[in-house]
Amino acid sequence: GEDVEQSLFLSVREGDSSVINCTYTDSSSTYLYWYKQEPGAGLQLLTYIFSNMDMKQDQRLTVLLNKKDKHLSLRIADTQTGDSAIYFCAGPCQGGKLIFGQGTELSVKP
Amino acid sequence: DVKVTQSSRYLVKRTGEKVFLECVQDMDHENMFWYRQDPGLGLRLIYFSYDVKMKEKGDIPEGYSVSREKKERFSLILESASTNQTSMYLCASRLAGRLNTGELFFGEGSRLTVL
Repeated sequence: GEDVEQSLFLSVREGDSSVINCTYTDSSSTYLYWYKQEPGAGLQLLTYIFSNMDMKQDQRLTVLLNKKDKHLSLRIADTQTGDSAIYFCAGPCQGGKLIFGQGTELSVKP
Repeated sequence: DVKVTQSSRYLVKRTGEKVFLECVQDMDHENMFWYRQDPGLGLRLIYFSYDVKMKEKGDIPEGYSVSREKKERFSLILESASTNQTSMYLCASRLAGRLNTGELFFGEGSRLTVL
């Protein structure tokens, strides 16, 4: 079946760049998404990329999509302690359901 | 401001009890979803509903049922709670149609502990 895979943990120092990676299997995805979950809260959409794009930039966030390798990444420039959270990548599969990865817990050390 | 409200943030129940988790959205969204979140497993879809009185099984429906009698409300029911249903439950809603990004709006979650 459809699958989305992420590494579980990433630790960076404040001011460094963070790169969170994701691989997926469903090549029919129209949009691919990055959601952010802060402690004790639900998920909020952080950014998304349309499947016919290779890159999308939004302030400190850069999303790269490699369709050939089915690889999605999220780069956060100048990472701040407020960026500490769990980041989920997600892509829709057949039937309109959204499939989520396991989530990457980003820890930002001062 | 868009809002998905889950009625209970924390619940503690005993094995065998019937549990109701309520979710209400104020955005007139057609689609609603129930996920459970467990460490290392991410979000897994339990049930979803495309519109009022419609329901579809997700990836892990066993032990759960749902009710969608009104457009704004989607309830998750555990008929007889078991300890392996201890988890964080997340409700989400989405506007239907192909002309939008398909963004899901989430509630803050209901953390259920079954003793």
